[in-house]
Amino acid sequence: KAGVTQTPRYLIKTRGQQVTLSCSPISGHRSVSWYQQTPGQGLQFLFEYFSETQRNKGNFPGRFSGRQFSNSRSEMNVSTLELGDSALYLCASSSGTGLNSPLHFGNGTRLTVT
Amino acid sequence: KQEVTQIPAALSVPEGENLVLNCSFTDSAIYNLQWFRQDPGKGLTSLLLIQSSQREQTSGRLNASLDKSSGRSTLYIAASQPGDSATYLCAVKDSNSGYALNFGKGTSLLVTP
Repeated sequence: KAGVTQTPRYLIKTRGQQVTLSCSPISGHRSVSWYQQTPGQGLQFLFEYFSETQRNKGNFPGRFSGRQFSNSRSEMNVSTLELGDSALYLCASSSGTGLNSPLHFGNGTRLTVT
Repeated sequence: KQEVTQIPAALSVPEGENLVLNCSFTDSAIYNLQWFRQDPGKGLTSLLLIQSSQREQTSGRLNASLDKSSGRSTLYIAASQPGDSATYLCAVKDSNSGYALNFGKGTSLLVTP
């Protein structure tokens, strides 16, 4: 079974630009979550989608948004990029049907904002 | 707000040693606790998940315990190997965060040959 796939692996953008990251979950998984990882803050929850609906949202500004498609693939968008948005963005999928369904992570997209 | 702390932040041990990584959390009303491994530049690999009603879980050389009342979990690694070198993260899912995980900052483990 293929794992969680994130594209692209690396991105370099300039301040003020916008960026879209993509995540394909494990086949059959309906929940996709996004996390931001930085050396200073560690892993922080961005949002979670289940069956195309945002089910939970972390404490990030409105510049961070996401969506989920009918095939469970998800995208997240960051507008008006800031230097502080440089991070590893991780996507995770789960069946989403129970509180104890484990999360499976992709290898992440490394975003560098210059 | 749930706070998850991992001690120590870094650990170096010679190959073959048994070791314990610690994780503590402030709100005991958790659904589960999950241990992950992260290799440099990579994503997270799930190691063990302990449900709130469980006391421990085992997988191979790994054993994780959970003491919900005291807000603690330990990850025990037996007979460590250089391939165990990685960052180990614990994360809790609780009633306040919905389906989100609250992560500790991790313990960076180096096993030397």
